[in-house]
Amino acid sequence: EVQLVQSGAEVKKPGESLKISCKGSGYSFTSYWIGWVRQMPGKGLEWMGIIYPGDSDTRYSPSFQGQVTISADKSISTAYLQWSSLKASDTAMYYCARLSNGVCSHWGQGTLVTVSS
Amino acid sequence: DIQMTQSPSTLSASVGDRVTITCRASQSISSWLAWYQQKPGKAPKLLIYKASSLESGVPSRFSGSGSGTEFTLTISSLQPDDFATYYCQQYNSYLWTFGQGTKVEIK
Repeated sequence: EVQLVQSGAEVKKPGESLKISCKGSGYSFTSYWIGWVRQMPGKGLEWMGIIYPGDSDTRYSPSFQGQVTISADKSISTAYLQWSSLKASDTAMYYCARLSNGVCSHWGQGTLVTVSS
Repeated sequence: DIQMTQSPSTLSASVGDRVTITCRASQSISSWLAWYQQKPGKAPKLLIYKASSLESGVPSRFSGSGSGTEFTLTISSLQPDDFATYYCQQYNSYLWTFGQGTKVEIK
């Protein structure tokens, strides 16, 4: 069974750094793109970027380029989303998803990030 | 970027109703369109891919159609489990974008 398990909820202060994770299992982790999606409170889905764990090829949405870093460690089948300096506006639910022919066929359960002073 | 516009934003319907949601792309995306269902507090779930292909395990009351710039998601007979928010997503290029969502509410 394909599973994506994300790290737990985080509460951070503005300016702090953060790295959240998404661990894949039940499939060949290096053979499928992983995407990250943001959902701000009460809002819709926003595409952030994707990574191919096989060779770490990474693409970012222009809206998120330079704001976050997407990475992966194929040795432990885990993808990451990180911030170097959080802002209050980064408060959101973040989902990872496994892509299959361009669509998000399997999703993680989400990681809630709260940034507040 | 390709913009995706869904209509309506909110839809009130009763159990048993036929429901149609529209998604328009700002430029042609061929058939590279997917539909997702999201319930409160849950991750989205893939319903339809390549505009009209039903994902495995999704009830046959869901169907998708369209190509180019105009697409529709139809629920043939709305069930209690279908009250949720629905999103379209284009994947014509790696700069994927979602529609703003359509909330299906109980009338």
